[in-house]
Amino acid sequence: NAGVTQTPKFQVLKTGQSMTLQCAQDMNHEYMSWYRQDPGMGLRLIHYSVGAGITDQGEVPNGYNVSRSTTEDFPLRLLSAAPSQTSVYFCASSKGTISNSPLHFGNGTRLTVT
Amino acid sequence: AQSVAQPEDQVNVAEGNPLTVKCTYSVSGNPYLFWYVQYPNRGLQFLLKYITGDNLVKGSYGFEAEFNKSQTSFHLKKPSALVSDSALYFCAVRDLTGGGNKLTFGTGTQLKVEL
Repeated sequence: NAGVTQTPKFQVLKTGQSMTLQCAQDMNHEYMSWYRQDPGMGLRLIHYSVGAGITDQGEVPNGYNVSRSTTEDFPLRLLSAAPSQTSVYFCASSKGTISNSPLHFGNGTRLTVT
Repeated sequence: AQSVAQPEDQVNVAEGNPLTVKCTYSVSGNPYLFWYVQYPNRGLQFLLKYITGDNLVKGSYGFEAEFNKSQTSFHLKKPSALVSDSALYFCAVRDLTGGGNKLTFGTGTQLKVEL
């Protein structure tokens, strides 16, 4: 059972470039989410989805887009990378509501924007 | 808005001694509280949660947490620390906005267990 798989593990971008961070889960989880982790700031929610075709904004959505065309996949798109988006990005999924089911995290993508 | 605070950036403890990692919360309504752990270069792993019921919640790897409503705290504890417990620990609270499908995390506490 692979769980939550994130690709790539590392990425370096130049300012203004775009890219997509991939996230896939094989647990048939309805809920998926993206967080960014920055030193001293913990994890901050970027976007989340409660099922295919449904997405919503989290705490820090600006500069990021998401879509959820299948239950398994939840890609995160950076439209025009900025140095402020240098961070470690985590995808997480949950079977049901986050009150009843724990979040399962991927191992992260470390992104550097120069 | 719901929030949690972890007042200590780092906690050091000797192996075999009890450990406590502190968390206080601010919520409107009943709190849904969680602890997660992160090992180096890995994603977070769920340890335990408090929804309702007993104030002492038991979780994975021998950890437990004590919910204290009067002090608005949810401290993580373990009776006897192991070197392998060294990791980054996050407290989190369910955010009631957006249908309650968001978790708000604290800033994390680095636990270092030394021989």
